[in-house]
Amino acid sequence: DVVLTQSPLSLPASLGQPASISCRASQSLVYSDGDTYLNWYQQRPGQSPRRLIYKVSHRDSGVPERFSGSGSGTDFTLKISRVEAEDVGVYYCMQGTHWPRTFGQGTKLEIK
Amino acid sequence: EVQLVESGGGLVQPGGSLRLSCAASGFTFSNYNMIWVRQAPGKGLEWLSYISGNTAEISYADSVKGRFTISRDNAKNSLHLQMTSLRHEDTAVYFCARGVSTPDYWGQGTLVTVSS
Repeated sequence: DVVLTQSPLSLPASLGQPASISCRASQSLVYSDGDTYLNWYQQRPGQSPRRLIYKVSHRDSGVPERFSGSGSGTDFTLKISRVEAEDVGVYYCMQGTHWPRTFGQGTKLEIK
Repeated sequence: EVQLVESGGGLVQPGGSLRLSCAASGFTFSNYNMIWVRQAPGKGLEWLSYISGNTAEISYADSVKGRFTISRDNAKNSLHLQMTSLRHEDTAVYFCARGVSTPDYWGQGTLVTVSS
């Protein structure tokens, strides 16, 4: 199985300051069609996961522009340009290239 | 508006069975692959199973293979997960989601508690 390793697992962030989360895969996430199926999800307390970013860098409709995704191959990053209070929650990366699909352990973002 | 609503969770004894359902609306259900994902209390997300839109393809995580069965009824816009031989470690919130490589919409989840 593809292991996704997120870091940090706990992210104390300051309001208005940038924050970033790393997701490293145990093997390349490039699929045979040329796409890379690495997604990012936000799970606010008591809610179901919400997709923020799909295929590395495509931001979902309604997701604030302060969220961005980047990376390639096995190394990916979710960046928040300026953290806001509503960003509190757990962030997961997920790979949709290999079977079985797998998730990172999650990164808990809290406000300092 | 896309909506996914899970139901069927509850308290079940170890070794028991339960059938979860996911009612879909707001999109052409038969056109989409669907998955089940679960989240144990205080833990992360675990992918469980996938079914293609036409039911031709099905896949399971090793942790549930042979015990869980995914199915769908495209005429009724519903997805199901039949769970048997339930164990304490199956206690979790179970989510259905649309899509298999880039799941976009998720339901609110249904809680399954396996306990005597």
